[in-house]
Amino acid sequence: SYVLTQPPSVSVAPGKTARITCGGNNIGSKSVHWYQQKPGQAPVLVIYYDSDRPSGIPERFSGSNSGNTATLTISRVEAGDEADYYCQVWDSSSDHGVFGGGTKLTVL
Amino acid sequence: EVQLVQSGAEVKKPGESLKISCKGSGYSFTSYWIGWVRQMPGKGLEWMGIIYPGDSDTRYSPSFQGQVTISADKSISTAYLQWSSLKASDTAMYYCARHAGTGYYYYMDVWGKGTTVTVSS
Repeated sequence: SYVLTQPPSVSVAPGKTARITCGGNNIGSKSVHWYQQKPGQAPVLVIYYDSDRPSGIPERFSGSNSGNTATLTISRVEAGDEADYYCQVWDSSSDHGVFGGGTKLTVL
Repeated sequence: EVQLVQSGAEVKKPGESLKISCKGSGYSFTSYWIGWVRQMPGKGLEWMGIIYPGDSDTRYSPSFQGQVTISADKSISTAYLQWSSLKASDTAMYYCARHAGTGYYYYMDVWGKGTTVTVSS
């Protein structure tokens, strides 16, 4: 089964840029999607198809995907961005979804 | 407004059966795959499986195949997640999520608020 690897935690000061990575074997050949989950809430889609933003998601959120690493970038980080972030792909070999282990973003 | 409304919290004993639900509204229920995601206490998201209500085609993660059953009743726009014999390790929050996109590129664009399942003797 396809494995996605995320760092457990990332810390960033307000106003700076946060980068959260998602590693997988040749992940650049897949479409990567990202979700934000705040405590006690359901996840929210923030990036789909590597770099597209759903309506209502600030332009500060962007994504990229190449080689063995996909990256979620949050510019001008705000306190309200503090949350867990999960990457997700579709494992085409066994036809099911896969999540990364999640990254806790802490705003210092 | 597109919504997924999940059934309420459940408290069950080991060995009991359970069926939780997820009702879709505001969109064509039979035109999107709808799936289930588990989140155990303090842990990450786990993709369990999906169903296409239009023809009841289902897919399961290998980790959940044979452990749960996903079904749907398109006449009432509702998807279900079912256990025949619960274990304490089934204690978790369960989310339903609409799957958008096309084959091999599915993403979850609409989520329910979750159903808490507690299994304890």
